Amino acid sequence: QQPVQSPQAVILREGEDAVINCSSSKALYSVHWYRQKHGEAPVFLMILLKGGEQKGHEKISASFNEKKQQSSLYLTASQLSYSGTYFCGTEEGGGNKLTFGTGTQLKVEL
Amino acid sequence: DTGVSQNPRHKITKRGQNVTFRCDPISEHNRLYWYRQTLGQGPEFLTYFQNEAQLEKSRLLSDRFSAERPKGSFSTLEIQRTEQGDSAMYLCASSKNSETQYFGPGTRLLVL
Repeated sequence: QQPVQSPQAVILREGEDAVINCSSSKALYSVHWYRQKHGEAPVFLMILLKGGEQKGHEKISASFNEKKQQSSLYLTASQLSYSGTYFCGTEEGGGNKLTFGTGTQLKVEL
Repeated sequence: DTGVSQNPRHKITKRGQNVTFRCDPISEHNRLYWYRQTLGQGPEFLTYFQNEAQLEKSRLLSDRFSAERPKGSFSTLEIQRTEQGDSAMYLCASSKNSETQYFGPGTRLLVL
């Protein structure tokens, strides 16, 4: 069963903040976040490991609650280039096989 | 690193024909993964290799699908007797051990 992401879609004005959530029904070893633009391959954003700390760089950060099997991606001061579909990929352990979530479409407008 | 490359980028075929896709991973990446993505969905895992060994196959991978990584470098994914339901984007990714997976540009398959 794939992880559930929320919201399904969001529209932002440039400079606004957003939070994307990823929830799994299974115990997780790690969560990987990707952004995909239309017709292109998914681009890696960050990975959060079980027992690890919240990660982030510049205006994108993420957290991982192991007990709840949930992860959140935080986008601050959004830019036009942030537009795309965001996927979380969850790993239950071993092999690094990822199960991708339902996706969140994000659009940043002027 | 030159990144993961995939060929061809697009493939149109008639139902019943066989097709083969190639993936060249980032050099020195020992793991290689195949995923399938349909419109509006996230990538779905198909199979993965550690070096030349195929370690796991998804139940999505029917008997018509076969993947190889003969020398632990590039990989091929073959679909025999294609069906219209096989139409999708086929993505390849590679990683060094359990680290980040980097995706290639994908091969878009259309079965008529």
